[in-house]
Amino acid sequence: DVKVTQSSRYLVKRTGEKVFLECVQDMDHENMFWYRQDPGLGLRLIYFSYDVKMKEKGDIPEGYSVSREKKERFSLILESASTNQTSMYLCASSRQYTGELFFGEGSRLTVL
Amino acid sequence: AQSVTQLGSHVSVSEGALVLLRCNYSSSVPPYLFWYVQYPNQGLQLLLKYTSAATLVKGINGFEAEFKKSETSFHLTKPSAHMSDAAEYFCAVTEIGGNQFYFGTGTSLTVIP
Repeated sequence: DVKVTQSSRYLVKRTGEKVFLECVQDMDHENMFWYRQDPGLGLRLIYFSYDVKMKEKGDIPEGYSVSREKKERFSLILESASTNQTSMYLCASSRQYTGELFFGEGSRLTVL
Repeated sequence: AQSVTQLGSHVSVSEGALVLLRCNYSSSVPPYLFWYVQYPNQGLQLLLKYTSAATLVKGINGFEAEFKKSETSFHLTKPSAHMSDAAEYFCAVTEIGGNQFYFGTGTSLTVIP
């Protein structure tokens, strides 16, 4: 069964802490994405990557960075967490140009 | 850029009634279209997709959607709602040959016993 795995389902961090969210896919997909989901705002794209070491900014990249050192792994980094980054974070992957996103279970981050 | 509009952020139906969730997209070129479902505290799961084959697309759990180019719509329907259909539903679009996806803001479906 195809799978996108996010390392942490629930995290609680303090303001100013560095936060790593890890995502691994086992489908050999070229594309990987990080979305943020907030009530009433739907899914907003933070960053995506279409190849190893490649990254593109999405709609809301401020305050975030990403790393893709291996094809199967895409990490989202919050250098200095703030309370307005409290949210659900969703990782997804897709094959190049053929559509259909596969999602992980999500990581719910609370920043105090 | 593409945009997706889902009319109605909350929809309530009685168990056994018709489910209709609306989605309109903005594109001069027919894109690929998707409906995803999200159950509480879970990720999104694909319900169905349109990729320029038949305009009426059947998905999982008895859902279907019809692509209407003239109306730029891709509404989701199910003839008879079940309690287990209560969830958040998202419409999404991507350009053919593109890699970026654009999502609607979601519709929360409540099923009343």
